[in-house]
Parts: sequence; structure tokens; C-alpha cells
Amino acid sequence: QVQLQESGPGLVKPSQTLSLTCTLSGGSIKSAGSYWSWIRQLPGKGLEWLGFISHTGYTFYNPSLRSRVVISADTSMSQFSLRLTSVTAADTAVYFCARENGRTYYFDSWGQGTLVTVSS
Amino acid sequence: SYVLTQPPSVSVAPGQTARISCGGNNIGAKSVHWYQQRPGQAPMLVIYDESDRPSGITERFSGSKSGNTATLTIMRVEAGDEADYYCQVWDVTSDVVFGGGTKLTVL
Repeated sequence: QVQLQESGPGLVKPSQTLSLTCTLSGGSIKSAGSYWSWIRQLPGKGLEWLGFISHTGYTFYNPSLRSRVVISADTSMSQFSLRLTSVTAADTAVYFCARENGRTYYFDSWGQGTLVTVSS
Repeated sequence: SYVLTQPPSVSVAPGQTARISCGGNNIGAKSVHWYQQRPGQAPMLVIYDESDRPSGITERFSGSKSGNTATLTIMRVEAGDEADYYCQVWDVTSDVVFGGGTKLTVL
């Protein structure tokens, strides 16, 4: 089963861009039927899906964040990345990367999550 | 946007059966998935496509659906089952949607 690991800065200043990377092991981003997703969890709150990139490079984003989110992939490095622009304190959260099944859209592999705090 | 409604909390004594509901309009037409999240950990898939269990998930976990409600059932509850549980669907208008989560307390 694929394993996922998030990495990136734990502290980002307001108005700047949050950038995280998810590295795969035991699997390939090009695996057919796989969508590579980012999900976040605000402190003490539930889960919010941010978007995905498919094995073909197609992307789709949460409509509420579409203007600020970009997800990209580097297949040679078995990585995919999240960029969230113009962050505010409301973007402080634990960010998870996950593999999404492209048939009925469930998440069967998750990274451990990384806390990103937005603060000056 | 599509909304999934879960009770904030459910309490059950060890050895008893816990039932966690997830309500949503026309949920009968959607594939429902369930996740367990222990404190400080990532969510873990416990049920997918209403009632299928991933490899390694105990048979004590089961899922069902009736009308506008899906239900996660945990039989013979153990202390280790104490966690937050989330339901999730895909909706054509909202894409991936999670329920608000239910905290299961084992008394």
C-alpha cells in the first residue's frame, strides 16, 4: 500500500503562499484510477477537501478555495504539491495529503499530516 | 452545497453496540465512506462504498444505508474504538463532502 509523507514550512506569514509537498513511497502518481488529494483540518474542527490532481494531470479544486489553490505533480520525484496563496490566520490547520480512489472517491491512504500556522 | 449531518457525540459502554448516523439528501444514490480518526492521528478508512471493509479492518465495523441516512455500526465496542468518526460522499455540486464528525466515547 502506498505511503505518503507531507513536508514543508510549519509557519507562514499572512498574505504569503503556503507550499507543501507530499512524497509517495510504494506507489506511483501515474497509477491509473488514483487521484492525489489535499485535505485540511482546522484546529478542533472537521475535514475540508482542498482538491486533487489525477494520474493524468487533471486538477479539480474545492469551489470555495479555487481562486487560491494550485496542486501540481512531479512524477519523476513521486511527489505532488499544494500551493495556497494569500493565506490568513483562518488557513491555520493540519494539512493532509491522501490518495483518492477515482471510482467512488474515498481516501484509502493518508499522510500523517503537518501543522501549518499562519502568523506574523 | 451538499451537507452531511452527524450527531456530535455518541456514548456507549464497552461490549455494547455503537451506531453513528450520517444524514444527507438523497444519500441513497451516493456511495458513503467512513473514517476513524484517533487523537493526533490521520483519518483511517474503515468502511467504503456503504459496507465494504478495507483489508485489516475488523468485522466489528459495518456500514448500512436506509432512506436518507447511512449508519456506521461498531459491535462489541472496545476502549480502542474511542475516536472521531466521519462520513464522506462525493456530490456532483460540491465534489468531496465530509460530515461534521461524531466523537465516540467509550464509557
